[in-house]
Amino acid sequence: QSALTQPASVSGSPGQSITISCTGTSSDIGGYNYVSWYQQHPGKAPKVMIYEVTNRPSGVPDRFSGSKSGNTASLTISGLQAEDEADYYCTSYTSSTTLVFGGGTKLTVL
Amino acid sequence: QLQLQESGSGLVKPSQTLSLTCAVSGVSISSGGYSWSWIRQPPGKGLEWIGYIYHSGSTYYNPSLKSRVTISVDRSKNQFSLKLTSVTAADTAVYYCARGSYGYKFDYWGQGTLVTVSS
Repeated sequence: QSALTQPASVSGSPGQSITISCTGTSSDIGGYNYVSWYQQHPGKAPKVMIYEVTNRPSGVPDRFSGSKSGNTASLTISGLQAEDEADYYCTSYTSSTTLVFGGGTKLTVL
Repeated sequence: QLQLQESGSGLVKPSQTLSLTCAVSGVSISSGGYSWSWIRQPPGKGLEWIGYIYHSGSTYYNPSLKSRVTISVDRSKNQFSLKLTSVTAADTAVYYCARGSYGYKFDYWGQGTLVTVSS
């Protein structure tokens, strides 16, 4: 299975909004509403920020939101804050009953 | 509070077998509705899903690793394990265990353990 495609890096200034895309196929993102997004700070375990495309676990700020169109999912962070600087990974369930991660996106808060 | 803790050898020789265990506390690993996964991250690189096991014992593996991977559960010790055979330097990574919850999200993670493959 091929990794989902994410931009290597994105950046934004505090208070701005950014969007990270995650592109797959009809066998993963396009076929199921099982897309999750993870935030990982250096040296730490990942933390789930979005699941089932649009749902936020309790405790995750509503500045984080998710969406999907066709084979592409997106994570939007509004009102950027310094602590949002981290690596972000998407993942999707697949038609082979497996899971696949994206390559990861490094978010820099300028 | 649910916690996961990885343990095992931090140094494995090429061609040998990598073995890790994830001890689960705060919930029974036999509880229905959850899966138990292994995920790895080579130094400076992205996350790679290795596989998961359900409370029933059903297993699902990454096709690229399937021929070398075995995930098993020890209900008496409330832990699950990973075995990866015929390792090479490419298997050097931080290995995480995690719980899979509804929606196929990983809601609890271990702290990760670095495994280095080197002679």
